Amino acid sequence: NAGVTQTPKFQVLKTGQSMTLQCAQDMNHNSMYWYRQDPGMGLRLIYYSASEGTTDKGEVPNGYNVSRLNKREFSLRLESAAPSQTSVYFCASSEQGTYGYTFGSGTRLTVV
Amino acid sequence: GQQVMQIPQYQHVQEGEDFTTYCNSSTTLSNIQWYKQRPGGHPVFLIQLVKSGEVKKQKRLTFQFGEAKKNSSLHITATQTTDVGTYFCAGPPGGAGSYQLTFGKGTKLSVIP
Repeated sequence: NAGVTQTPKFQVLKTGQSMTLQCAQDMNHNSMYWYRQDPGMGLRLIYYSASEGTTDKGEVPNGYNVSRLNKREFSLRLESAAPSQTSVYFCASSEQGTYGYTFGSGTRLTVV
Repeated sequence: GQQVMQIPQYQHVQEGEDFTTYCNSSTTLSNIQWYKQRPGGHPVFLIQLVKSGEVKKQKRLTFQFGEAKKNSSLHITATQTTDVGTYFCAGPPGGAGSYQLTFGKGTKLSVIP
């Protein structure tokens, strides 16, 4: 099983550019999440989708949008990238609620 | 909102020494989870604790959940170089029905061979 697959693995953007981070899971999990990880800040929740068809804001949603395309896929969009969005982004999924997240390998994003 | 704090932030140990990291929540938790992230990697789920006072073991790792369900600890006996990484605790801020996890900032473990 692939688990949680994120693309791309690395990306460099110029300020003001847009891009979409893709995430797909093959474990038939109901819930999916987007986190960002910055040095000294730990993991902070951007958006989550408790189940197909629903999305909700997390701790740091500003500057981001999400789409739960179907049960497998949950994408994160940056409409106008800013240097403050330079980070490592992790997608995660869980069968139900908060039990035992499975994380993807991450996207390392640099905004210049 | 809920805060999850971990101490220490960093720990350097000689191989073979023991290691403990502590996690404290500002609110009572329905459960607490532990994750390990190797350098350059992604967090990997280790375990979940649910019951007050619960103790679980995985080989050299011992996990405890406090009686008041507001604190937890991870103890590693006789560390090995394979234990290197950052250990995170996490708990749901909204109780048992929550769909979010709040992570602590982690304890970064270095093991000197």
